[in-house]
Amino acid sequence: IAGITQAPTSQILAAGRRMTLRCTQDMRHNAMYWYRQDLGLGLRLIHYSNTAGTTGKGEVPDGYSVSRANTDDFPLTLASAVPSQTSVYFCATRAKGLAGGPSNEQFFGPGTRLTVL
Amino acid sequence: KNQVEQSPQSLIILEGKNCTLQCNYTVSPFSNLRWYKQDTGRGPVSLTIMTFSENTKSNGRYTATLDADTKQSSLHITASQLSDSASYICVVSAYGNNRLAFGKGNQVVVIP
Repeated sequence: IAGITQAPTSQILAAGRRMTLRCTQDMRHNAMYWYRQDLGLGLRLIHYSNTAGTTGKGEVPDGYSVSRANTDDFPLTLASAVPSQTSVYFCATRAKGLAGGPSNEQFFGPGTRLTVL
Repeated sequence: KNQVEQSPQSLIILEGKNCTLQCNYTVSPFSNLRWYKQDTGRGPVSLTIMTFSENTKSNGRYTATLDADTKQSSLHITASQLSDSASYICVVSAYGNNRLAFGKGNQVVVIP
């Protein structure tokens, strides 16, 4: 069982280019999340999806878009990358449970290290 | 203002020694608090979860405490090992809200 896979592991990208970070899970979890992690700022939520077919904006959504066509995949797209999007990106999932309840553990993928020059 | 504050930001400890990490939060209404461990280059992994009614929970050499009245939690590492070198992130959840409030982490370095 792979859990959560993210691709690519790392990427160097020229500013202005389009980039899609992939996230796939095999746990059949309903909710999926994209975070960015920057030194001194911790994890910040970019976008989320409570279930297939729905998405929502997090704390720092500008410059990013997501889609959730099915349960397993939740790609994150940077339409036109900028240097401030240099970060480590984590995809996470959560099984369905009472909102905010103890079953709300989020499981994190291994991350994608993105550098925009 | 961040709803979860952690201290110290970083610390260096000798192998075999104990250390305690602190987490203060303002999240309300409180549901549960988790401590995650994040090894370098990896995603965070949950260590412990504590709900309102729990004040101590252990996971091996890790012991978490919770004081829901003062909205404080601590993570105590006993007899530290080199593999304990990591960032420890305090994460708090509110009832009725699936989003999590993250602390910025305590960076622990264990040296031989």
